[in-house]
Amino acid sequence: AQKITQTQPGMFVQEKEAVTLDCTYDTSDPSYGLFWYKQPSSGEMIFLIYQGSYDQQNATEGRYSLNFQKARKSANLVISASQLGDSAMYFCAMREGSGDSSYKLIFGSGTRLLVRP
Amino acid sequence: DGGITQSPKYLFRKEGQNVTLSCEQNLNHDAMYWYRQDPGQGLRLIYYSQIVNDFQKGDIAEGYSVSREKKESFPLTVTSAQKNPTAFYLCASSITAFEHSDTQYFGPGTRLTVL
Repeated sequence: AQKITQTQPGMFVQEKEAVTLDCTYDTSDPSYGLFWYKQPSSGEMIFLIYQGSYDQQNATEGRYSLNFQKARKSANLVISASQLGDSAMYFCAMREGSGDSSYKLIFGSGTRLLVRP
Repeated sequence: DGGITQSPKYLFRKEGQNVTLSCEQNLNHDAMYWYRQDPGQGLRLIYYSQIVNDFQKGDIAEGYSVSREKKESFPLTVTSAQKNPTAFYLCASSITAFEHSDTQYFGPGTRLTVL
């Protein structure tokens, strides 16, 4: 079964508008971390934001915020005031638990975001 | 500036040749990782190392080998046994491999093409 599901292969957004990229996850571990990465055409994976399963508040980092709905197992990324430089692939990822099982970062298939001027 | 460097950026290999991809980090991280990315897909873990002189297989280790003789360095060798090595290879590191909150930071990647 897919552990991380990103259902939007591609998205368009108008410059300066907000956009939400969807991510759902599947785990039975009560302790886990959720990450979003940006991959521009150059290829490098750039860390954007982290949310821990026990965090009470949604994570925010500048224009990025994570809409964490634990009961629904969703961790959507919200980008406010989109910029042309936000055009890239975006990956949702999860690390489960702590100890021997936590080494692995499990990735979704990604969403390609294109910002229109 | 702290970070992760990978070299070369592009690598071409003839069938039957082994090639080694370099990964160096100066973040003082204990854990290092190698991932493979195929077109239109997410990343898959090849090998990881929790500490110097220790490494473990990931999900797709067949046809690959690694070493971890220094904390800063985690080279990946793609051997001739790897059936379909053409891909984008990304190296990452994190403070430890034990905590789910430890962020993995990535290098710029090496694009390997088998001719």
